[in-house]
Formats: sequence, C-alpha cells, structure tokens
Amino acid sequence: SQQGEEDPQALSIQEGENATMNCSYKTSINNLQWYRQNSGRGLVHLILIRSNEREKHSGRLRVTLDTSKKSSSLLITASRAADTASYFCAANSGGYQKVTFGTGTKLQVIP
Amino acid sequence: DAGVIQSPRHEVTEMGQEVTLRCKPISGHNSLFWYRQTMMRGLELLIYFNNNVPIDDSGMPEDRFSAKMPNASFSTLKIQPSEPRDSAVYFCASKPMDRGLRWDSPLHFGNGTRLTVT
Repeated sequence: SQQGEEDPQALSIQEGENATMNCSYKTSINNLQWYRQNSGRGLVHLILIRSNEREKHSGRLRVTLDTSKKSSSLLITASRAADTASYFCAANSGGYQKVTFGTGTKLQVIP
Repeated sequence: DAGVIQSPRHEVTEMGQEVTLRCKPISGHNSLFWYRQTMMRGLELLIYFNNNVPIDDSGMPEDRFSAKMPNASFSTLKIQPSEPRDSAVYFCASKPMDRGLRWDSPLHFGNGTRLTVT
C-alpha cells in the first residue's frame, strides 16, 4: 500500500517560478526523503529530512516536515525547464529500513 | 561506480511464461529493494533484503512472484506464470549500511525493466 499521497498530482509552471509539492504520510517515520524521476529512468535521491528536523535546504530545494500533521512539502525555487520530472516523497518507517513511496507529482516547467 | 544494473531493460513475453528480472546492486551496498511501478498503483515496494536475507516480502502480490538474493552482488525477481496484469516497470534499488539507527542512507535506483505480458 502507498505510504504517502502527493498533492498536486500534476503541476505546470513557467520557468523562474517556484514549485511547491506536498506529501502526506500515514505512520510514524524515521525520516522522509524526496526523489526525482525523469521519464524512462530510475529515481534519483534529492534530499532527506529526519523526523526531528523541521526544515532543510539544499541548493534550490527547501523541504519542510510537520510530524504532527504527518506532512511534508518540497519547494523548488527559480524553476528551470530541466526540473521537468516527477517528484516522489518516500517514508522510511518501521523498526528497520522500509522505504515506501507516495504517488508522485508530475512537474512541467515551461521555458 | 557503475550504479545499480538491471537486466533486461525491456521484456515482452506471453501470458503463462516465466519471467526473470535481474539486478546487480552497487558494490558495498548491503540492502536491496524491488519495486513495481504502474500508472494505477504508483511505486509499490515488493520485497527488500538486508545482507542477502529477505526482511519484508509483504508487498509481493501473489505466490507467482518470488525473489532471491544468493549473494551480495546479485538478485532476481521471478514471475511464474506471468499474467497481463503483471505488466509494469520493475525497479531494483540498493543502499549502503546505515550508521547506527539513523536509517538515512538514500536509495540508489537502477533504470528499471519494462515488462509487457501479452
């Protein structure tokens, strides 16, 4: 079963704008991860936020985590056409290292 | 670093045939995951191994599916017999050992095997 649900399912923006994607998950987590998938390829890890962290930055990426609401958001600032891809959140939960993925947000950045 | 290698990249087979998907994880990684991706269900975790031992196979859909990891550098996912509803992209991912109990090593994905069962 899916651990996370992403919102929106699809997002289309102009180059230079910011893109925000949200993720909700169901169980308690060790950490939450965000991945990117280009068409026809495997997923690539972008950023990880631990359960005791509230915000994290990496380059143009900003991730927030609200464990009380079981939600996370990924913000991509100053988007580029090359950011066009699907973005997935992944919850690392359980007593071991089970990683389950959300449904994904398909982002299109129009040049 | 060659990354996670999956073979074949594409597989087309007829219903009822046996299908074997292969994965070579990154050297030194001790955990391996098999996922299935479809439009309807998204990315589903099928099974994962730690140090070649299956830890959780609760995502394996039916007894027709089986996975093995005979050594640290090779894993297979077998479907026997295959059915049209098994058509999907199957991904293998590996990750290095986590330090302590932080579980924060990222997954490294292969480029997947696109399976079509007719």
